Amino acid sequence: QQQVKQSPQSLIVQKGGISIINCAYENTAFDYFPWYQQFPGKGPALLIAIRPDVSEKKEGRFTISFNKSAKQFSLHIMDSQPGDSATYFCAASKSAAGNKLTFGGGTRVLVKP
Amino acid sequence: DGGITQSPKYLFRKEGQNVTLSCEQNLNHDAMYWYRQDPGQGLRLIYYSQIVNDFQKGDIAEGYSVSREKKESFPLTVTSAQKNPTAFYLCASSPRAGMSSYEQYFGPGTRLTVT
Repeated sequence: QQQVKQSPQSLIVQKGGISIINCAYENTAFDYFPWYQQFPGKGPALLIAIRPDVSEKKEGRFTISFNKSAKQFSLHIMDSQPGDSATYFCAASKSAAGNKLTFGGGTRVLVKP
Repeated sequence: DGGITQSPKYLFRKEGQNVTLSCEQNLNHDAMYWYRQDPGQGLRLIYYSQIVNDFQKGDIAEGYSVSREKKESFPLTVTSAQKNPTAFYLCASSPRAGMSSYEQYFGPGTRLTVT
């Protein structure tokens, strides 16, 4: 059972453009939604995270939008740069379950110069 | 220099052999986790430990075993019972208490190839 569905699987964006990645979840008990960035051959690194009591969170060029009623959240990368080319994973966890993370399938982003 | 170390970076084994992957952290984190990543896929939880001498199965624990004898160490053994062991293995840790306990920090990973 895939509890967190992520789309698209890959996307190509021009330098300066906006990258948008979407995730949908099923379990309403999830109460923490992080995004991770992973470069080839490396471990994922926490990028930005949000809790369901907030509809939007912005850190630099990265913004999470959260829609609790639709059980969806998305990552927007503004002014995309070639250095942003990586795989991005959304995830979800619930504090009642030992903070175990359930990951989406990942989105490979390529930013063309 | 604080962080999570995993060794070795690449590991090759013959089918039927058990192999142990190392994970060490000096962040003083209580919780540690093991994930498996297959090409083009997300991470799947194998085992996790919230405290020394205690651990729980994740979503895909069959064919794996762990121990947590020290706070800073959480080794993973891939046994011969694991039907498809070739994968990228990632270890993570997080503080246990407070809001920051949700943040998991990942090591650089070990790529295991079994032939």
